[in-house]
Amino acid sequence: DGGITQSPKYLFRKEGQNVTLSCEQNLNHDAMYWYRQDPGQGLRLIYYSQIVNDFQKGDIAEGYSVSREKKESFPLTVTSAQKNPTAFYLCASSISASGANVLTFGAGSRLTVL
Amino acid sequence: DAKTTQPPSMDCAEGRAANLPCNHSTISGNEYVYWYRQIHSQGPQYIIHGLKNNETNEMASLIITEDRKSSTLILPHATLRDTAVYYCIVRERNAGNMLTFGGGTRLMVKP
Repeated sequence: DGGITQSPKYLFRKEGQNVTLSCEQNLNHDAMYWYRQDPGQGLRLIYYSQIVNDFQKGDIAEGYSVSREKKESFPLTVTSAQKNPTAFYLCASSISASGANVLTFGAGSRLTVL
Repeated sequence: DAKTTQPPSMDCAEGRAANLPCNHSTISGNEYVYWYRQIHSQGPQYIIHGLKNNETNEMASLIITEDRKSSTLILPHATLRDTAVYYCIVRERNAGNMLTFGGGTRLMVKP
């Protein structure tokens, strides 16, 4: 079945450490996205990529970095510069970034900073 | 993007229709209305979208008022598995898919 796989599902990190969240899709989608969700809140866009080797900042990109070396993969690194990294992180993809395309989401990765 | 307003929570009896309202009074002519839902601790799931005509699929129906200032998502026979947060999003068709998910409506389906 086609879909989006995020790993790990749960992750614990000490303060000051960088951590990388994996996102892989086999939907042949061009566009990929990373969102952050805090308890009881909606989703906020961190970064998005419309095509391989290209990505743009979303609303809350500070303290995060991404890469898009392959169409299938869009890893997110949460750096030590992110002041409050404990959150639920969601990866999504769509056929393209333009038009009225449906977003398909992964199951999420829950990061806790100790 | 047009701002949307949704009630923070609603209850519905199992087997009855769930009608979830969304107000988008500042919507412009080329903005679509999208609905997604998020079951607890999972990723959001697309439900339906529309421009001006009513839409129906296997999951739900979307009713958009004639002036397009509000819409209603209808789950015709709600089940316990429909308990989730439902997000109404308005976005211009060619503005990209960088959707913003606000607070949504927390629907609780009760037996």
